[in-house]
Amino acid sequence: NAGVTQTPKFRVLKTGQSMTLLCAQDMNHEYMYWYRQDPGMGLRLIHYSVGEGTTAKGEVPDGYNVSRLKKQNFLLGLESAAPSQTSVYFCASRYLSQPQHFGDGTRLSIL
Amino acid sequence: TQLLEQSPQFLSIQEGENLTVYCNSSSVFSSLQWYRQEPGEGPVLLVTVVTGGEVKKLKRLTFQFGDARKDSSLHITAAQPGDTGLYLCAGNFGNEKLTFGTGTRLTIIP
Repeated sequence: NAGVTQTPKFRVLKTGQSMTLLCAQDMNHEYMYWYRQDPGMGLRLIHYSVGEGTTAKGEVPDGYNVSRLKKQNFLLGLESAAPSQTSVYFCASRYLSQPQHFGDGTRLSIL
Repeated sequence: TQLLEQSPQFLSIQEGENLTVYCNSSSVFSSLQWYRQEPGEGPVLLVTVVTGGEVKKLKRLTFQFGDARKDSSLHITAAQPGDTGLYLCAGNFGNEKLTFGTGTRLTIIP
């Protein structure tokens, strides 16, 4: 049982490049979340999904897009990366009213 | 936007000492969670509190939820080096999202 798996673990991009972060969970959870974590700011919600085929904006959605085509996967896309998007990105999932389970994060640097 | 302020932001104490960290909001929580995060890992849930005035204990950690459900505290007795980490509170305001606090980075010096 792998839980929540994020790929890649590290990535360096140049400004303007695009990329997709993958989150996969094997717990049949309905809810999935993407956060970014920056020093002194805790975790901020980017986008989330309450089920397959649905997505919604969180606190800081600008510059990001998401897709939930399959229940087990939640993809976070950066269309044109900017230095302000340098951060550690965390994915989480949960089942109904249960607590969120987090992946180990993706460290992304935009040069 | 609901905000959760945690204090202190950084805390460094000697092994064996006691400490308390705080989580405060101007809004009422439906429930509140405390997480601990180690370097290179995601947050791991420590406890969930739901009822105003509730106190929960987890070995040397004591969690308290304020009577008005706007604040919470985490008290650690006889801190150990293994308690070192980033402590995050996260509040639920009755929807499918969590709002995380700013975090307290705790260092226990052997």
